[in-house]
Amino acid sequence: AQRVTQPEKLLSVFKGAPVELKCNYSYSGSPELFWYVQYSRQRLQLLLRHISRESIKGFTADLNKGETSFHLKKPFAQEEDSAMYYCALMGSQGNLIFGKGTKLSVKP
Amino acid sequence: DTEVTQTPKHLVMGMTNKKSLKCEQHMGHRAMYWYKQKAKKPPELMFVYSYEKLSINESVPSRFSPECPNSSLLNLHLHALQPEDSALYLCASSQGTMGLNYGYTFGSGTRLTVV
Repeated sequence: AQRVTQPEKLLSVFKGAPVELKCNYSYSGSPELFWYVQYSRQRLQLLLRHISRESIKGFTADLNKGETSFHLKKPFAQEEDSAMYYCALMGSQGNLIFGKGTKLSVKP
Repeated sequence: DTEVTQTPKHLVMGMTNKKSLKCEQHMGHRAMYWYKQKAKKPPELMFVYSYEKLSINESVPSRFSPECPNSSLLNLHLHALQPEDSALYLCASSQGTMGLNYGYTFGSGTRLTVV
């Protein structure tokens, strides 16, 4: 089965605190994983691709094949990080499979 | 141009109406997608077009009819919709059906309300 699990519906942290949004996947073979972000009333935007190992807006994500995880991390959260975050897996037919999403709320 | 453009941004239609949603991209992407997103839910795949041919139909009711006139355009024709079809309809594109590791580029969506 090809599946993405984001166990937290809502994550609330204070500004300056570290944040980790969890993502686990189920996929046989080498997965292609992504993090998308959707700010209030804005379009869904690609945040990170695991293949590029980049850091965008201070966020990083490392693929852990042993734990089948692709958690999103940021050492110091900012208020403007408040948004809906979706972890996504490229399915075997080239279709993007989304997790249910985690709403991140960063309080001042 | 690095965007996917969707029109209209908002649409209200009656259950007996016929309307169309439009999507356009000029990035040379050869795969285009329709997703449906209900409030506070993740996007759900409806259709995939690869090189202008329908490659995936996720058991979508026939009242939704996709069309890909050329590699830059994707339409979604709507007819006899139900109120539960009210949602944000997202169009996306990618360089190929396997995403080529770049993921999708999404449009801002059409917010559809069926009355």
